[in-house]
Amino acid sequence: QKEVEQDPGPLSVPEGAIVSLNCTYSNSAFQYFMWYRQYSRKGPELLMYTYSSGNKEDGRFTAQVDKSSKYISLFIRDSQPSDSATYLCAMTQGAQKLVFGQGTRLTINP
Amino acid sequence: EAQVTQNPRYLITVTGKKLTVTCSQNMNHEYMSWYRQDPGLGLRQIYYSMNVEVTDKGDVPEGYKVSRKEKRNFPLILESPSPNQTSLYFCASTSMGFGTMNTGELFFGEGSRLTVL
Repeated sequence: QKEVEQDPGPLSVPEGAIVSLNCTYSNSAFQYFMWYRQYSRKGPELLMYTYSSGNKEDGRFTAQVDKSSKYISLFIRDSQPSDSATYLCAMTQGAQKLVFGQGTRLTINP
Repeated sequence: EAQVTQNPRYLITVTGKKLTVTCSQNMNHEYMSWYRQDPGLGLRQIYYSMNVEVTDKGDVPEGYKVSRKEKRNFPLILESPSPNQTSLYFCASTSMGFGTMNTGELFFGEGSRLTVL
């Protein structure tokens, strides 16, 4: 079993829809939780990070962490075609490691 | 411009022919890492380095070597490439190990697509 599980999709939604992306994890030692966005033919870039259970909002994006259920989510409101990308969840394990999910490929259709 | 630079970006080679993928960062980062990205498997860590002359294995180190003789450079060496090493490779760096002062922002290069025939 992978330490971090993420539905690879692909996920296709119409412009303006609310998108929900999710990851589950098994290692209680994971400390910080992140979402990276990767456009085609590019390296991933950090989108948001959270530490404690709860919600964190940044514009149209909301990151949610539930440590008791070992579950993290990313919500995108009013989705735009420019949001089309692969979204990867990631978690820190100690000082040395960042563990990634498989990535979900998202397409927003105009 | 702050960046992580990888070369080559694309490479087709044959089984057994040694190759090196270079990685250089200009941000004075202590931590550097190599990942490979495969469909359905996501990003998997190959090796990482916490500082000069300090390297350690990640989750999939077999068939790879690294060295960190200078802070800015972290080359990935495939001594005898095999077809199962066909993949998209990313080098990444960050200022220090992860913790309170660094909550997980890795800066990635553009990727190197390697095909081993």
